[in-house]
Formats: sequence, C-alpha cells, structure tokens
Amino acid sequence: DTGVSQNPRHKITKRGQNVTFRCDPISEHNRLYWYRQTLGQGPEFLTYFQNEAQLEKSRLLSDRFSAERPKGSFSTLEIQRTEQGDSAMYLCASSPSRGSAEAFFGQGTRLTVV
Amino acid sequence: AQKITQTQPGMFVQEKEAVTLDCTYDTSDQSYGLFWYKQPSSGEMIFLIYQGSYDEQNATEGRYSLNFQKARKSANLVISASQLGDSAMYFCAMREGFLNQGGKLIFGQGTELSVKP
Repeated sequence: DTGVSQNPRHKITKRGQNVTFRCDPISEHNRLYWYRQTLGQGPEFLTYFQNEAQLEKSRLLSDRFSAERPKGSFSTLEIQRTEQGDSAMYLCASSPSRGSAEAFFGQGTRLTVV
Repeated sequence: AQKITQTQPGMFVQEKEAVTLDCTYDTSDQSYGLFWYKQPSSGEMIFLIYQGSYDEQNATEGRYSLNFQKARKSANLVISASQLGDSAMYFCAMREGFLNQGGKLIFGQGTELSVKP
C-alpha cells in the first residue's frame, strides 16, 4: 500500500449537479478524515470516521454534504446541488488508532464548480 | 475554542541558512498535540514533526526541530540548512486529546516559504 488514494484528482462540474469523491485510506488505518481547503487557506475539518462510525461532523458540512464509510474501509463524500462556493480542494487523511500520531493525507480532489 | 495562528504569510530564506516559521495556538485542554505539515505545489500534505503537550524536550526530525514554549503557547518550526526543495506552504496544526485519541486537526493559515539559491 503506497498511501492514501483519492479519486478523481480533478472534477469540473456545473452548478446544481451532484458529485461524489472517493478516498481509500492506508489499509490498516481505522480512522479517516475529510477536510476542505480553499485557495490560500489551511485545511478545514469536515468529518471523521472511526471504522464505519461517523464520530464528528463540522458545521461546515451542510445538508448538501454526506459522507459514508460503509465497511470501514474506503469512504465517499457526496455533494448534492453543487454551488460555486463548493469549489475547493477536498483532502482525505487516515491514521491508525495506535502508535504514530500523525494523519497521512492523500493528494486531494480539486473540485471546480462552473 | 481551539485556534492556530500563523502570522507570516510569506518568508524568504537563502539556501543553506536556517529559518523559523512562527505558530501560536490557543486551547483550554491540558492534553494536545502540535503538528507541522508541508504542502508543495502538488497539493499533498506531508507530515514533518509532532510535539505532545507533555513532552519535555523539543521534538526534532532531521533538519526540522520544533521550538515548543508551552507558557507562551508557541510551537515554532525551525528548518536548518534550507534546501531549494523546502520551498512550499507550511501549516501548523493542533489536535486536542491524547496521542491515540484521534480527532480533527485544526490548521493555521499557513506560511509560504521560498528558498533562494
């Protein structure tokens, strides 16, 4: 396993369309995080899973956003009825429950809403 | 509330010199961790160094060291012997709780470091 994998790397969509992103964490990591990063800013937390349980959701995660991790492995982040303000880099990270402290990040999915 | 402040939007350093990137934090928790990540233009966040709130010694990882001053709530990153490949965005981040507790990272706004040849 070479690290956290995110697909697609880039997505251009029209306003109002739905989009779905996928994150495959490092295989032995049971914690998975989604962050959003806009230009010139640091990443902002969206949501966090431990195994299949969604333990925390940010207020940034409006009802148009939903995240799942059905079998505690990969995760999907869906945005419904996209708006131009949703344009950002969506980052996924994973970490083990024991041992190292750091979260390992994927290369992100860059979403552009036109 | 948790907050991370990085007051230097951009920094320049001459190759082979040392540079310090500033980070201050705010938390009411006694247990927390402080992290530094590097983000090159490719976009991936690369972990550099970690300091736990109860660690008595400053963390070091190769050319990176963290100058942890708990009373001042600062966690500055020192990069020694800068290299051209160090040019990137650098983010300071904090997570409340113990090492294995998990939980979200709160990031600062970042500092863009440019290394001059």
